[in-house]
Amino acid sequence: GENVEQHPSTLSVQEGDSAVIKCTYSDSASNYFPWYKQELGKGPQLIIDIRSNVGEKKDQRIAVTLNKTAKHFSLHITETQPEDSAVYFCAASMILTGGGNKLTFGTGTQLKVEL
Amino acid sequence: EAQVTQNPRYLITVTGKKLTVTCSQNMNHEYMSWYRQDPGLGLRQIYYSMNVEVTDKGDVPEGYKVSRKEKRNFPLILESPSPNQTSLYFCATRDRAGISNQPQHFGDGTRLSIL
Repeated sequence: GENVEQHPSTLSVQEGDSAVIKCTYSDSASNYFPWYKQELGKGPQLIIDIRSNVGEKKDQRIAVTLNKTAKHFSLHITETQPEDSAVYFCAASMILTGGGNKLTFGTGTQLKVEL
Repeated sequence: EAQVTQNPRYLITVTGKKLTVTCSQNMNHEYMSWYRQDPGLGLRQIYYSMNVEVTDKGDVPEGYKVSRKEKRNFPLILESPSPNQTSLYFCATRDRAGISNQPQHFGDGTRLSIL
């Protein structure tokens, strides 16, 4: 089955700096890669996603890159702000034989943006 | 407003006392899923449902049951809870079951403590 590894587990940056979180996946059948942000006491919320036919996607201060050959994808947050402090999860999704599909999550990165 | 509602949000109970965590969605989504979140392990899928009366096991189904009698509800049942089921539980939904590259919408979580 799919295995998603995520690094680092914790990340501390100064306000205004950039933050990068990296993930690798094992199964080349995965074709959709969402990123979720989880604030304290809340469920994960989708912040950006990328499909396997695209190499990069941007949305204001956040961007995601995908390297299908190397099976890794990364989240980039520029000009970090204190409200970016949260746990971030990457995930990889594939369609299963039989019509279902499966979303496998990384283990999460605790991002802390310091003033 | 699109919502995934879980109840209860917090529960402390004892080993062996049957409990049910409810999940309700107002988006008419086909696909619903349960995850547990544990430190260092990320989110792991317990069970999922592709439509009414269609359920299947995820990665960690042991000790859990689910049912999908109607589209909007997907309760998680612990028939005989044990301390290793102490965890943070999330219900999630997605619009069309057969399409993998769609975002999942998460509830705000249920924190269960089994003593």
